[in-house]
Amino acid sequence: LAKTTQPISMDSYEGQEVNITCSHNNIATNDYITWYQQFPSQGPRFIIQGYKTKVTNEVASLFIPADRKSSTLSLPRVSLSDTAVYYCLVGERYGGSQGNLIFGKGTKLSVKP
Amino acid sequence: EAGVAQSPRYKIIEKRQSVAFWCNPISGHATLYWYQQILGQGPKLLIQFQNNGVVDDSQLPKDRFSAERLKGVDSTLKIQPAKLEDSAVYLCASSLFRGRADEQFFGPGTRLTVL
Repeated sequence: LAKTTQPISMDSYEGQEVNITCSHNNIATNDYITWYQQFPSQGPRFIIQGYKTKVTNEVASLFIPADRKSSTLSLPRVSLSDTAVYYCLVGERYGGSQGNLIFGKGTKLSVKP
Repeated sequence: EAGVAQSPRYKIIEKRQSVAFWCNPISGHATLYWYQQILGQGPKLLIQFQNNGVVDDSQLPKDRFSAERLKGVDSTLKIQPAKLEDSAVYLCASSLFRGRADEQFFGPGTRLTVL
């Protein structure tokens, strides 16, 4: 499975747009890019997933360049409740790949008033 | 739709004691995962089941950890004997498909403290 690299922490203020970039230089052809959000004392929660170009849902947007070696999670107009740890993962969606699924340490986003 | 259920939510034991955690995945989800999350780190996969068969247990410390998923539904994770370094949150997740990148639905976790 492709290994990912993302910033350890980021700070923002309410109402700002936040962009978290994840590097995955060894991404394979069948790999999807998935982002999870985790609040303290809770399990991770799926935010968004994409394969290429741009994906948008009611929570976030995911931008993936043509070479797919990186991706950017965009959170529009963050609020205090968006303070959480965000994980970027890369892997096959179907079929089932062997090898460990690596969450990494994620990016701790702190939103200030 | 009911989410992933886990129990107990909290457990405190002394080292060398045994402990068991229970997980009930979302109905219809064939794949079940157990993760260990140590404070300040991301979840680490311990074992993955596809129905009642083990897909991957390469990260499971088999000398003390065991897991089973009878009838392809509920699952239990056991630690015997526990060590201080086992203090962590144990998360159960389930997904519809087998692929690791398929959306995983996580339970609230069991916080284990080993004294």
